[in-house]
Amino acid sequence: GDSVTQMEGPVTLSEEAFLTINCTYTATGYPSLFWYVQYPGEGLQLLLKATKADDKGSNKGFEATYRKETTSFHLEKGSVQVSDSAVYFCALGGDYKLSFGAGTTVTVRA
Amino acid sequence: EADIYQTPRYLVIGTGKKITLECSQTMGHDKMYWYQQDPGMELHLIHYSYGVNSTEKGDLSSESTVSRIRTEHFPLTLESARPSHTSQYLCASSGVTGGRNEQFFGPGTRLTVL
Repeated sequence: GDSVTQMEGPVTLSEEAFLTINCTYTATGYPSLFWYVQYPGEGLQLLLKATKADDKGSNKGFEATYRKETTSFHLEKGSVQVSDSAVYFCALGGDYKLSFGAGTTVTVRA
Repeated sequence: EADIYQTPRYLVIGTGKKITLECSQTMGHDKMYWYQQDPGMELHLIHYSYGVNSTEKGDLSSESTVSRIRTEHFPLTLESARPSHTSQYLCASSGVTGGRNEQFFGPGTRLTVL
């Protein structure tokens, strides 16, 4: 069945550092891929998405490219801020539901 | 404004009480979902619905029940709350727009059962 494997956290880094969170997936067919972000005390917000192979999703300085050949959708940001501290979820859109990764907690220190 | 709402945001209640967590959306979506989020932040799908009068159990077994009498409303009920039900509950919806099964989430209800 569909599944997502996400880099385990927690991840702690300094402001302006480079962030990458690995995500790989297993799926049949042609799923959509998503990154969601959850700030403390809130629900999940869609950060970016890609609906087909080689698509690049981007938002708020974050980017991820849908790589069918490596079944990956790694999240990157070149220079993180304290406000990027949150939990990040990789997700795969299948036939009737989303399959989520376990979430990666990111803490950015000033 | 199109949005998804959950009430209450926080609930502290004693063991044995019946509770209903409310979820409403004004997005015009046909599909709705309930997730339970554990302290490690992992999400578990406990119920979903494809439309009015359609409800299905999710991947994680739950003692809660749901109903879908109106398109915009998807309440979750616990007949007799127990401390093991303490968790964060997230409601979501999806429709025909966006990526495949792109879901929009409410702010969540944090439930504590004493």
